[in-house]
Amino acid sequence: EAGVVQSPRYKIIEKKQPVAFWCNPISGHNTLYWYLQNLGQGPELLIRYENEEAVDDSQLPKDRFSAERLKGVDSTLKIQPAELGDSAVYLCASSFGPQGMQYFGPGTRLTVT
Amino acid sequence: QQQVKQSPQSLIVQKGGISIINCAYENTAFDYFPWYQQFPGKGPALLIAIRPDVSEKKEGRFTISFNKSAKQFSLHIMDSQPGDSATYFCAATAGGGSNYKLTFGKGTLLTVNP
Repeated sequence: EAGVVQSPRYKIIEKKQPVAFWCNPISGHNTLYWYLQNLGQGPELLIRYENEEAVDDSQLPKDRFSAERLKGVDSTLKIQPAELGDSAVYLCASSFGPQGMQYFGPGTRLTVT
Repeated sequence: QQQVKQSPQSLIVQKGGISIINCAYENTAFDYFPWYQQFPGKGPALLIAIRPDVSEKKEGRFTISFNKSAKQFSLHIMDSQPGDSATYFCAATAGGGSNYKLTFGKGTLLTVNP
């Protein structure tokens, strides 16, 4: 069974440029999460989707971050414009329902120069 | 406010030794305490988890000890192996349904020397 797929795995951009990350959850998982993991820290939830509805986006910096999950499957997280402090690993996870075990993807390592 | 405090930040253990990682929490509403293992370049993977109605849970070489009154829980890795070298995160969450939200500790980098 394929796990959570994320792309790209690495991204280097200059500050003020836009960037987008893509996530394909495990088949059948209707709950999808985006996390931010700074170096030496644990993951922090940015947004959680139940199907195509964002049910918890309280930690998403909405001035520059946006996310979508149009058909309730794949999701995209976007940053525009990127800042130096956005350099981190962006993790996607999915689960079967909000109480199901969360499976994490390998993450996208973003470097903003 | 850090709701889950994890220690130590790093740990070096000899092969065959016992690795112990500790976590403390503040939110008494937490009712599910998982541990995640993360290898470099990979996402965290659930290792073992406990609910506060039991004081200990064991799965193979991994054991969680839970002290509800002290609001502390710990991970013990028996007979530590070089393949256990990874970063370990404790986490906690409160309730089910729409309130399911993991709060992670800062992680412990475990190195097991051969």
